[in-house]
Order: sequence, then structure tokens, then C-alpha cells
Amino acid sequence: DTEVTQTPKHLVMGMTNKKSLKCEQHMGHRAMYWYKQKAKKPPELMFVYSYEKLSINESVPSRFSPECPNSSLLNLHLHALQPEDSALYLCASSRPGWGRGYTFGSGTRLTVV
Amino acid sequence: EDKVVQSPLSLVVHEGDTVTLNCSYEVTNFRSLLWYKQEKKAPTFLFMLTSSGIEKKSGRLSSILDKKELFSILNITATQTGDSAIYLCAAQETSGSRLTFGEGTQLTVNP
Repeated sequence: DTEVTQTPKHLVMGMTNKKSLKCEQHMGHRAMYWYKQKAKKPPELMFVYSYEKLSINESVPSRFSPECPNSSLLNLHLHALQPEDSALYLCASSRPGWGRGYTFGSGTRLTVV
Repeated sequence: EDKVVQSPLSLVVHEGDTVTLNCSYEVTNFRSLLWYKQEKKAPTFLFMLTSSGIEKKSGRLSSILDKKELFSILNITATQTGDSAIYLCAAQETSGSRLTFGEGTQLTVNP
């Protein structure tokens, strides 16, 4: 299995909703990442988990809450989002350390209404 | 602040043409330069370059890194319509945890 699987593929949520994005990989990668990508812009790093511990939080607002329940799963809990949070949310994984290519999932296209 | 700049931002060519995409970087604790191809959704990995002057090749694609001048190029020869995509370069810092992406080059190959 050489894939990173993200669900759902599309999500529309209201500003008062609570939802979660899910990411799963079975490649034995112990580093997992959340990126946010706005239209026609490059991906921007949000969070990094290394060995199931949060190692980087790029000053992301608290309405985004990551969780890494085990080495294969990464969640992103969403609450009270704003319309400007609408974007493609990409999950990626890699072996920890430099010199490791990342494998990206297909993303969740999120629309906040 | 770390910065990666790609040029051109957009490029339209005909099938069979050869293209060169550019990527310059200013990254503290630089370790490697990665190239990705992004079509509809997930960026797909093309190359990772760590050493200066060593060309990496995969079929019609090749890439090289110049760590003295802080840039990399991605060449695509005999382009095909299936090469149409956004090409992203990203600089990886020493810990490996952070990728800084450039804006991407939108390549369109017309038949």
C-alpha cells in the first residue's frame, strides 16, 4: 500500500458546524502533515506530527484542531470555521528526517458557507 | 523568512517542445529541493535533489540543483499533452519536517 487516503473528498459545512477530516496511511511512515492549499496558491504547512506527537504548529487558529490517534491515522477537527477557510486540505506522510520524499493524499475540498 | 520563487508562473507550449522550469530558493538550514507535479489534486513526487551538479532523470524529465547559486531547473523534453499540470518546487530544511513551496509553474501543452 503506497497511498495516503483522505476522507471525505468534498465537504460543505456551515460556520457553526463541527466536522472532521481523516487521513490514513499504511506505509509505516511516522511523520504526518496537514497542508492547506488555496486556489492557484502553493500548499502551506499547518501541522506536523512526528511519532504521533505534534512537532510543528504553524500558528494555525484554534478552530483547527489536529489529532494523531495512532501511527496510521491523522485527523483534523474543524469548528466554527470562516468562509476564508475554504480550501483544499492535503494530508501527507513521510519517514521522519530529511531526505525523505513526501506522499500526498488527494485532499479534501472544503467549502465553508 | 524562507522563500522559494518559481519562474515562469505560466507557460504554454506545443507538443514536442522542450521546456525549462526554474526554481530559486532562500532557505535557512536548506537540505534538499523537491519537485512535484500537481494535476487535479494531490501533488505527485518527481525528484529530490540534495547534491549540487548531479542530474536526476526520469524518462523525459530531468532536474539539477546548483547549491552555490541557490537554484534548480526542471527540464521536460518532447512535451506531451499529459504533461499539462502545475509544477511545484519545494525546499526542505534540515530536520525534514518543513517544506516551503514555490508558487508553481502552470504548464499547458497544446496538441
